[in-house]
Amino acid sequence: DAKTTQPPSMDCAEGRAANLPCNHSTISGNEYVYWYRQIHSQGPQYIIHGLKNNETNEMASLIITEDRKSSTLILPHATLRDTAVYYCIVRVANSGNTPLVFGKGTRLSVIA
Amino acid sequence: DARVTQTPRHKVTEMGQEVTMRCQPILGHNTVFWYRQTMMQGLELLAYFRNRAPLDDSGMPKDRFSAEMPDATLATLKIQPSEPRDSAVYFCASGLLGQDNYGYTFGSGTRLTVV
Repeated sequence: DAKTTQPPSMDCAEGRAANLPCNHSTISGNEYVYWYRQIHSQGPQYIIHGLKNNETNEMASLIITEDRKSSTLILPHATLRDTAVYYCIVRVANSGNTPLVFGKGTRLSVIA
Repeated sequence: DARVTQTPRHKVTEMGQEVTMRCQPILGHNTVFWYRQTMMQGLELLAYFRNRAPLDDSGMPKDRFSAEMPDATLATLKIQPSEPRDSAVYFCASGLLGQDNYGYTFGSGTRLTVV
């Protein structure tokens, strides 16, 4: 079972920041937060992951609360191509024996 | 960019027929996963391999599904006999143990329709 809770859907205006929340209140100390997205008719795509510090890459920023029980994925300037289902996943990094377990994710619609 | 290649992209078959789906993982990756996606169940893990050895196939219906890695460049998922409830998109993903800073890479999937 997925160990995260996400809203089923969100809308965002094109050019605005999209902030996608995720609750993971039972996260363990050695578990990372991963974000993937799935654009229609494609396979899931890795976005970013983090342990406790905030992370940023060319795609997005990840903000993790101090107690690590929740996080927010931020797409700073959403475009129509960011319309997708976004999955928040917790797992032990580099563990080898804990594959990605996907929940239902958040369906983000970017509106022109 | 390196990519995971899945063939065929689409497959329509009649109930009772054998179906074989193929996956070419990224060269050098030692972990391969098979997922199935349906509207009702979402993305479900079927099986995964490390260094070509199966680690877990508990997500697969054992009586009709089988997954193998004949060599490091090919993973196969077979359904025999196929049933209409097997209609789904099947994704393969690969990664490298110890270096998953960039997560796993997924293929574009095989869309299977069993009529």
